[in-house]
Amino acid sequence: QVQLQESGPGLVQSSETLSLTCTVSGDFVSFTNYYWNWIRQPPGKGLEWIGYIFYNGGTNYNPSVKSRVTISIDTSKNQFSLNLTSLTTADTAVYFCASTYSGFEYFQDWSQGTLVTVSS
Amino acid sequence: QSVLTQPPSVSGAPGQRVTISCTGSRSNIGAAYDVHWYQQLPGTAPTLLIYGNGNRPSGVPDRFSGSKSGTSASLAITGLQAEDEADYYCQSYDSSLSSYVFGTGTKVTVL
Repeated sequence: QVQLQESGPGLVQSSETLSLTCTVSGDFVSFTNYYWNWIRQPPGKGLEWIGYIFYNGGTNYNPSVKSRVTISIDTSKNQFSLNLTSLTTADTAVYFCASTYSGFEYFQDWSQGTLVTVSS
Repeated sequence: QSVLTQPPSVSGAPGQRVTISCTGSRSNIGAAYDVHWYQQLPGTAPTLLIYGNGNRPSGVPDRFSGSKSGTSASLAITGLQAEDEADYYCQSYDSSLSSYVFGTGTKVTVL
């Protein structure tokens, strides 16, 4: 079982950069056996996958945010991070981090989510 | 940007059976990518409900079942209970977008 907990600011200014970190813990085989994802959900709307990172630094991003997003990883701390630049109010959302076991394509474990509000 | 379409809402009385459709295309469900389903209770994070089209994780009641055919998939809830009132999302992979994609979401209401 994997536990994920995100951390970061709840309020950011428009045009600035959002930085969130997800810390992974729990009784799981290895940090290197998973893809680590960011997913968001605007208030009252559906889910949007942002991207993932593998332990070796390999990434894949949603084309809708690809030009503005960077996901990085620190395997020594069991953490991965999201950077999203050039924020607009449309980026206001609950941001989740989630795990995908290598070889599979679903999101097995999720964080509780953190609301990020982009202020104009 | 949802490429998987679900009905906005479905409802049923306790004990009834409801189904939720998830319609995709040849670049996702129709391309043989698996469909997965999530349940999101009010104010909480989504949880995995069905994986690999029709498999239930440990702890998920067998009232929930999933299936896939062609470019569509379905989630069925039999013996509907008040605790099933939630939002449900399908999810797959899209080869044209090279991206994981979610359905538009369906709110299930227990009458």
